[in-house]
Formats: sequence, structure tokens, C-alpha cells
Amino acid sequence: AQKVTQAQTEISVVEKEDVTLDCVYETRDTTYYLFWYKQPPSGELVFLIRRNSFDEQNEISGRYSWNFQKSTSSFNFTITASQVVDSAVYFCALSEARGNTGKLIFGQGTTLQVKP
Amino acid sequence: DAGVTQSPTHLIKTRGQQVTLRCSPKSGHDTVSWYQQALGQGPQFIFQYYEEEERQRGNFPDRFSGHQFPNYSSELNVNALLLGDSALYLCASSSTGKPTEAFFGQGTRLTVV
Repeated sequence: AQKVTQAQTEISVVEKEDVTLDCVYETRDTTYYLFWYKQPPSGELVFLIRRNSFDEQNEISGRYSWNFQKSTSSFNFTITASQVVDSAVYFCALSEARGNTGKLIFGQGTTLQVKP
Repeated sequence: DAGVTQSPTHLIKTRGQQVTLRCSPKSGHDTVSWYQQALGQGPQFIFQYYEEEERQRGNFPDRFSGHQFPNYSSELNVNALLLGDSALYLCASSSTGKPTEAFFGQGTRLTVV
């Protein structure tokens, strides 16, 4: 069965601190996709990144970076020099390539609070 | 270009009633998926519609049903509402050629009292 675990329920940091959000996944598929979404108080899920299972290169986008390690089934997300606007709930998600439907399996989410 | 739009934004219903939520997909998208997000939880997949048919279904009872119209818009219907159905209902649209590029609407907050 597929499963996504975000062990950190809530994280609180002070502005300009770096913060890493952990994500561990389980799947029997050899081909799959991993995602991170941001959910501000408005409720809409904002897409941040998608990674396929064959691409283990780390990625950096501005203050955001992602570390994908198949050996530990982890896909962690780091925000460098956090800002108050980063405060939100962050979800890690998994999608199987089989069936090609794009069905997403989400973790429980991590609430990030960045204090000024 | 409008993104995914959902209506209504908020809704309050009484136990036992029925509710219909609506979703208009992003322009160019033909597939609609529905998710339920209970408070403090991650979204859970309800079902997906493509070519006006339910293509895949999550672990939800038959009280949850849906429909997709020829213009690709979709409805989610929930019968015999329970208090536990209170949640944020999210709609996501995608195109069949790019199923992993899903865009989400802002959701409908359903409260059952």
C-alpha cells in the first residue's frame, strides 16, 4: 500500500532561520511521482514541486530546496532564510504512475509558523 | 485564464440532508478529481471523473457520488450527511496527457450540524 508520513505536525521558527520539513513515503511501485504543496489559510493547494522516481537530483528554487533519497524513501523540503509569508501548512504527496490517473496520496501535513 | 473554480465557498447543512458541490476545471483540462480534507488532516482522494465517467474511486461510501458534464465541469453529491462529513472539499483538474500536473481550487468548506 502507498503511504506518506510527515512526522512533524508543527514547526515554529524565527524569521531568517532555515527549516527542513521531513517526508517519508512507502510504495511498491518502481515508477512514481513525489510532490510538495503549500496550503495557505485560504485553503487552496499551491503546487511547489514534482519529482519522478528516476530523478534523484536535488533541486533548488530560490530559497526552496528539495532532497530526494530513494535509499531512505525520503523527500525532504528545506526553506532557507524563512520569511513570515512562508507560514502555511505544507503537504508532501505521492502519485503512482500506474494507471496514469494522477491520484495523489497526501501526508498529514506540517504546519509551519514563521515568527517575525 | 481562470483557474479551477469551486462553488459555493462555504456551506452549512443539517445531518441527513443532501449537498451538491460544483467545480469548473481550468481551461484545457478534461479530468476532475475530488478530495476531502478533514480538519488537521491531509486531503483524501474521493474519486476522479474523465469523459463523464468515474475512472477511479477512493475509500468512500456510496453516499458520495459525482457527475461530469460535457463541458468537463463536475459535481460532487453527498447524501444522508453525517457530522463526520464536515470538511474542506477540494477539486483538482488536469489534462489526460499530463495527469500529474493538477491544479486545485480554493475548496468548499462544508459544515454539517
